[in-house]
Amino acid sequence: NAGVTQTPKFRILKIGQSMTLQCTQDMNHNYMYWYRQDPGMGLKLIYYSVGAGITDKGEVPNGYNVSRSTTEDFPLRLELAAPSQTSVYFCASSYSGAGDTEAFFGQGTRLTVV
Amino acid sequence: AQTVTQSQPEMSVQEAETVTLSCTYDTSENNYYLFWYKQPPSRQMILVIRQEAYKQQNATENRFSVNFQKAAKSFSLKISDSQLGDTAMYFCAFMKHDMRFGAGTRLTVKP
Repeated sequence: NAGVTQTPKFRILKIGQSMTLQCTQDMNHNYMYWYRQDPGMGLKLIYYSVGAGITDKGEVPNGYNVSRSTTEDFPLRLELAAPSQTSVYFCASSYSGAGDTEAFFGQGTRLTVV
Repeated sequence: AQTVTQSQPEMSVQEAETVTLSCTYDTSENNYYLFWYKQPPSRQMILVIRQEAYKQQNATENRFSVNFQKAAKSFSLKISDSQLGDTAMYFCAFMKHDMRFGAGTRLTVKP
C-alpha cells in the first residue's frame, strides 16, 4: 500500500507562474484534505473534499483551486503564485470525516515562490 | 468555526521525566474527535493518540495519555518516561467533518 502520495517533493516557482500539486491515495478514502504549513506554525486547512465531485473551502482558500474528479486524486492548483504561498503543503486522506478513522498524510511538498 | 490553541510554543524535559503539553479548543459541537500528532524533523505527521468526545474515559497509548476535560474544552497530552526520540513538534487537532490544528509545541527531550 502506497498510502498518500504527493508530487513533487520540492518546487521553486517564479512569481506569477502556476502549478499543480498532485495528491493520490490508494486506500479508497472518501475524505481528502490540503493543508499548508508555514515555518514554525501549525497546519492550515486550504480545501477539503468529502467525495468525488464535492469540494469545500477551508481556512485559507484564497489563491488556490481544487478538483476531485476521482476518489483517488485531489490536485491543488496554484494560479499566479505569490511569495506568500511559500510553504510546505500536505495532502491527507481519511475514510470518514468524523474522526473515527485515522487520517493519513503525505510526505509534503516544499514550495518556494521567488 | 472551530479553533485550537496551544499556548506553549516550546517545552523541554529531561530524559525519563514526565511532561504535559496543553491544548484548548473552541466549538459548539457536542460530538467530535481530538488528536495529538507528532511531527519529527522528517516532516512526517504521526498520530500519537485520539480521543472521542462522547467518551469520558481518557485515552492512553503506552507512554502517552490525555487529560480530556470536555466542559473546559481542554485536551492535554502527558508523555511519561520521556525518550530522546520524543523530540518533535506536537500538534493538537480537532475533527468534525474537517480537521483543524493548533500552532504546535516544540518539545525537546534532553539527555
